[in-house]
Amino acid sequence: GAGVSQTPSNKVTEKGKYVELRCDPISGHTALYWYRQSLGQGPEFLIYFQGTGAADDSGLPNDRFFAVRPEGSVSTLKIQRTERGDSAVYLCASSLGGENIQYFGAGTRLSVL
Amino acid sequence: AQKVTQAQTEISVVEKEDVTLDCVYETRDTTYYLFWYKQPPSGELVFLIRRNSFDEQNEISGRYSWNFQKSTSSFNFTITASQVVDSAVYFCALSGFTSGTYKYIFGTGTRLKVLA
Repeated sequence: GAGVSQTPSNKVTEKGKYVELRCDPISGHTALYWYRQSLGQGPEFLIYFQGTGAADDSGLPNDRFFAVRPEGSVSTLKIQRTERGDSAVYLCASSLGGENIQYFGAGTRLSVL
Repeated sequence: AQKVTQAQTEISVVEKEDVTLDCVYETRDTTYYLFWYKQPPSGELVFLIRRNSFDEQNEISGRYSWNFQKSTSSFNFTITASQVVDSAVYFCALSGFTSGTYKYIFGTGTRLKVLA
């Protein structure tokens, strides 16, 4: 498919465990964003990559959250020592450049028990 | 600070009725973009429209139309002759070059239910 792909679509984990969420952007898109959407809320910004570097990580809630994009394409959002409050849908978006329209994936629904 | 307010949490209409979804925004940027996205039950955010702050022309696309008014900081969305397939959560979003990025600031969304 030509859209943004996120895997897994659902992830259930136990409190304290480590999880990785993957995002495959649209081919050729240099900008990649992660957002978090809690139930009944709009998505909230977490981090923005331009190429391989994190240009803005001001939305990461604490140091348990980390994201990488080593080759400027696929990105992985990593959450250490998960807490029940981390339960949400994590959305990834990509765009041709920072100023361009962002196209979103279907998200990963994370449930921390 | 940037902020988007969608005061309508949920709207229910009967098929073929017209419906307007409200969006009010706050920003100190002089150049910014406004967006509407649709989120059906599948969860994926679907892009509908982008307007930049220098273009206040209203836009129509089929049954959809948008009214952008800088004087009232509003960017409202109207669906004409609504259909059941329009049922979804609709998000308004704002993007400006704050802190060097074009991250989106979303409203809390309006859930639209179109009843047959």
